[in-house]
Amino acid sequence: KNEVEQSPQNLTAQEGEFITINCSYSVGISALHWLQQHPGGGIVSLFMLSSGKKKHGRLIATINIQEKHSSLHITASHPRDSAVYICAVSVKTSYDKVIFGPGTSLSVIP
Amino acid sequence: NAGVTQTPKFQVLKTGQSMTLQCAQDMNHNSMYWYRQDPGMGLRLIYYSASEGTTDKGEVPNGYNVSRLNKREFSLRLESAAPSQTSVYFCASSQGRYNSPLHFGNGTRLTVT
Repeated sequence: KNEVEQSPQNLTAQEGEFITINCSYSVGISALHWLQQHPGGGIVSLFMLSSGKKKHGRLIATINIQEKHSSLHITASHPRDSAVYICAVSVKTSYDKVIFGPGTSLSVIP
Repeated sequence: NAGVTQTPKFQVLKTGQSMTLQCAQDMNHNSMYWYRQDPGMGLRLIYYSASEGTTDKGEVPNGYNVSRLNKREFSLRLESAAPSQTSVYFCASSQGRYNSPLHFGNGTRLTVT
């Protein structure tokens, strides 16, 4: 069983729809990251959170530490949101270890 | 502000050839990392460097060597490339304190035939 899992694996939405991507993890963490990767592109950090909720524009990330679960919401989705969204967790070891989920591929259709 | 710069962007090697992937960051970060990304799998850590002059193995170090030349630069070397090393490679950096955000380069797409 992977330590960080995401659902769904693939997601297709119509422009304007509200989108939710879920992440669950099985290890103790110090922080959770949401990252975005456009096709053929680099990886950009969207959020880093250890409790509660963060919002940036149309993106909202929430985390429930007790349930070991996080969600990334996109409101009023747009084709430019089409990308792979990666959940990752920071684990305190001898270094700042980061464990990555497999990613969720989102396609927003006009 | 360039952030994390990786070169080359694409590379095709024959089995047994060697090459070095270069990475440089201009954010004065202490920690640098090399990851590989394969279809259906999360990013996996190959090697990391917590500070200048130190390097340590990650999850999948076999077949690779690294060099932290100075605080800015962290290179990854494949001494004898194998088809199993076909992947997309990402360099990343962070301040190195716990829970520091990661900053990624644009990736190197490597094919070994």
